[in-house]
Amino acid sequence: ELKVEQNPLFLSMQEGKNYTIYCNYSTTSDRLYWYRQDPGKSLESLFVLLSNGAVKQEGRLMASLDTKARLSTLHITAAVHDLSATYFCAVPAMRFGAGTRLTVKP
Amino acid sequence: DVKVTQSSRYLVKRTGEKVFLECVQDMDHENMFWYRQDPGLGLRLIYFSYDVKMKEKGDIPEGYSVSREKKERFSLILESTSTNQTSMYLCASSFTGGHQPQHFGDGTRLSIL
Repeated sequence: ELKVEQNPLFLSMQEGKNYTIYCNYSTTSDRLYWYRQDPGKSLESLFVLLSNGAVKQEGRLMASLDTKARLSTLHITAAVHDLSATYFCAVPAMRFGAGTRLTVKP
Repeated sequence: DVKVTQSSRYLVKRTGEKVFLECVQDMDHENMFWYRQDPGLGLRLIYFSYDVKMKEKGDIPEGYSVSREKKERFSLILESTSTNQTSMYLCASSFTGGHQPQHFGDGTRLSIL
């Protein structure tokens, strides 16, 4: 059975701090996806990682993929309140992790 | 602006009722998906469709069926609702080469009483 595990599931951070969200998956996959969901809103695509070693960055978020370890990370640098949301990782075919609810406090 | 539109944001139904959830996309995408989202469980795939009249079961198809008569429309049908089907339902779509959902609807929060 394909499993996608994220940790932590809940993350409360202070503004200005750094942290990493982890996504482990149980199947062979050369691609991984990250999504963001704001409260009461639907999901929006953040990153598409298409190969081993892929790294994508947008603003204070950086995602990477290690297909050999079946691990992706989403690193948050100098967090700000606007990053508060739930972050999901997903692998083909169409399977999602449980999500990490991130709260950034002043 | 590309859109995936779900017909209702909120629905309240009674157990045993038949419920139709409608989803329409305007991007000419071949693939469409139905998920349910529950706290602590993330998104779980109910059904997906890769073409008109084609459908595949996801991880939790029991109690659900789907219909795709036109490319732009994908319907989720709950034949006889039960309280454990209370959930947020999300529709999504993607083009043929992208099997992972690209665009999501705003969701339908369904409550079964």
